Amino acid sequence: DQQVKQNSPSLSVQEGRISILNCDYTNSMFDYFLWYKKYPAEGPTFLISISSIKDKNEDGRFTVFLNKSAKHLSLHIVPSQPGDSAVYFCAASPGNNNDMRFGAGTRLTVKP
Amino acid sequence: DTEVTQTPKHLVMGMTNKKSLKCEQHMGHRAMYWYKQKAKKPPELMFVYSYEKLSINESVPSRFSPECPNSSLLNLHLHALQPEDSALYLCASSQGIGAYGYTFGSGTRLTVV
Repeated sequence: DQQVKQNSPSLSVQEGRISILNCDYTNSMFDYFLWYKKYPAEGPTFLISISSIKDKNEDGRFTVFLNKSAKHLSLHIVPSQPGDSAVYFCAASPGNNNDMRFGAGTRLTVKP
Repeated sequence: DTEVTQTPKHLVMGMTNKKSLKCEQHMGHRAMYWYKQKAKKPPELMFVYSYEKLSINESVPSRFSPECPNSSLLNLHLHALQPEDSALYLCASSQGIGAYGYTFGSGTRLTVV
């Protein structure tokens, strides 16, 4: 039972344009949502998070949007850079324990 | 030190072997995790240690045995594994729960032959 879903296995965008990565979840107990970035041969790296009491969180070129009613979140990267090419994992966690669940990941390729 | 260090990076073991995976962090994090990741699949939670006590065990077979000797170390003891246990094993740590991002190690690539 996959509680966090990333339905696009891959995404390709041109350098300088916007990258939008999407994530859906099924568990209404999730309170915190996070995005991780993973390069080959490395562990995932925490990128940005959002609490369920917010609908937007911004950090430089990265913005995460949360739509609780739709159980959907997205990560926007503007402008996209070739160094952003990586696998991006969406993750979610209930606020009362450490049980974080991950999506299957989306491979982003930013072309120069 | 802002890293989680996992050793070994690669491990090949037979089905009758006993081996251990090691994980170490010196960030003062009080929660540590083992995840298993197979190709093109999400990381799957195996175990959570909080303040050196096992708090979550996701119905993992007993051939995987976690150990947390102190707040900086996390081990995963392996015995009588099956070829389908071949995967990337990721260790992570965090300050607390919820919105705290996890710091992951680079993983141990395990192959069971």
